[in-house]
Parts: sequence; C-alpha cells; structure tokens
Amino acid sequence: GAVVSQHPSWVICKSGTSVKIECRSLDFQATTMFWYRQFPKQSLMLMATSNEGSKATYEQGVEKDKFLINHASLTLSTLTVTSAHPEDSSFYICSARDSGRTYEQYFGPGTRLTVT
Amino acid sequence: QKEVEQNSGPLSVPEGAIASLNCTYSDRGSQSFFWYRQYSGKSPELIMFIYSNGDKEDGRFTAQLNKASQYVSLLIRDSQPSDSATYLCAVRVNQAGTALIFGKGTTLSVSS
Repeated sequence: GAVVSQHPSWVICKSGTSVKIECRSLDFQATTMFWYRQFPKQSLMLMATSNEGSKATYEQGVEKDKFLINHASLTLSTLTVTSAHPEDSSFYICSARDSGRTYEQYFGPGTRLTVT
Repeated sequence: QKEVEQNSGPLSVPEGAIASLNCTYSDRGSQSFFWYRQYSGKSPELIMFIYSNGDKEDGRFTAQLNKASQYVSLLIRDSQPSDSATYLCAVRVNQAGTALIFGKGTTLSVSS
C-alpha cells in the first residue's frame, strides 16, 4: 500500500512551452501533497505545499505564476511549469501525506524535466 | 531559517563494516526525524523515522536521536555494496503534515 505515482517519468520540452506533471496517491487519500525540486548533486528543495480544495502555499523564491499547482481531488495534484526555460530542467518529486495517518508521507518516483 | 546539516562525504567503508552517518538540525522545536536513501536518478525511499530520544533499531539500521544536542545519526551494520547511495536526513518541525526539511545528503560508498 501507500503508493504514489507521477506522470510522466521524464519529459523533454522546448523553451517557452508549458509542461504538466501529475502526482497521484493510488491507494490512500491525501489532503496534503508536497512538491520538491532537486538539481544534480543537490538536496531536495521544497517548492510548495498543495492542499486539496485550496490554494497552494509556495516557498520563498518560488514563483507561483510560473509553477502552477492544482490539487483538485484527494488523490491528484498537478504541477504545471509555464514558459519553461533551460534553468527549470530538474528532477521534480512529489510526496503525499496519508490523511488517515498522522506522520506518514510517501514520495513519488519523480519526473525528470529537460528544457531545450 | 530552519537548517539540516550533513557531511556530504563521500563516506567510504569496506563491506561488513559499520557506516555512521550524522546530521544536525537548527530548529530546537523539531519533532520528527527521518532517514531516506536515494539512489542516483531515483526518488528517496524511507529507511527509518524516530521521534523520541535514544536509539531505534530496524534490522541492520539504527537511528539515534539526541534532542538536547540537536543531533540525529544513522548506523548501518554489516554494510553491503548495495547500501552505496546518498543518505538524506530530514526533519519536520512541530506540526504533523508539514513538509520535510532535507539535508544535502551524505554519499556512502561500500567497497567489496
């Protein structure tokens, strides 16, 4: 149990286009999901906290108009990278908190984004 | 600014030895502590979590927490080449459900 999926697992896009990444909790409900970004040889950096039915909370320095987050259901959150640039190339990882448990948080497999 | 500090390594140990990974955190109000293992190009996977002072053992892994010193460690006994990975320390402050703050990770290399 407690599986989180992400789609796509990797994507290549051209500069200036938008890319949508999906994060799904497959066997549990997640009122809260988190989006992280990881550059090569760096740690995971929290981008935003996504709450079902409300606006996401963005970390300092993360542009909310560039990284659009939608958490429309208890099992799905999406991250859209708008007007992507090469510097947005990174490994994007989501995690989901199981609403039925206090501390459990599960990571998705990540999405590798390359902007050319 | 909440910070989690780890020695980036690499930490090299021979097969069968004990690997000791250390982590310090800045927020004294931190409540939950996690160790994740991350293989190159993969997402982190949870190894252990600890909430109370002292030791917690799970198989070959032992997590140690000292809140007074704001220090948490992970011991890996009988290290195997498959343990070679980056180990991330993560901390969550007071509220359940808030995001994890990660250290930069320690790279462990176990030689056969």
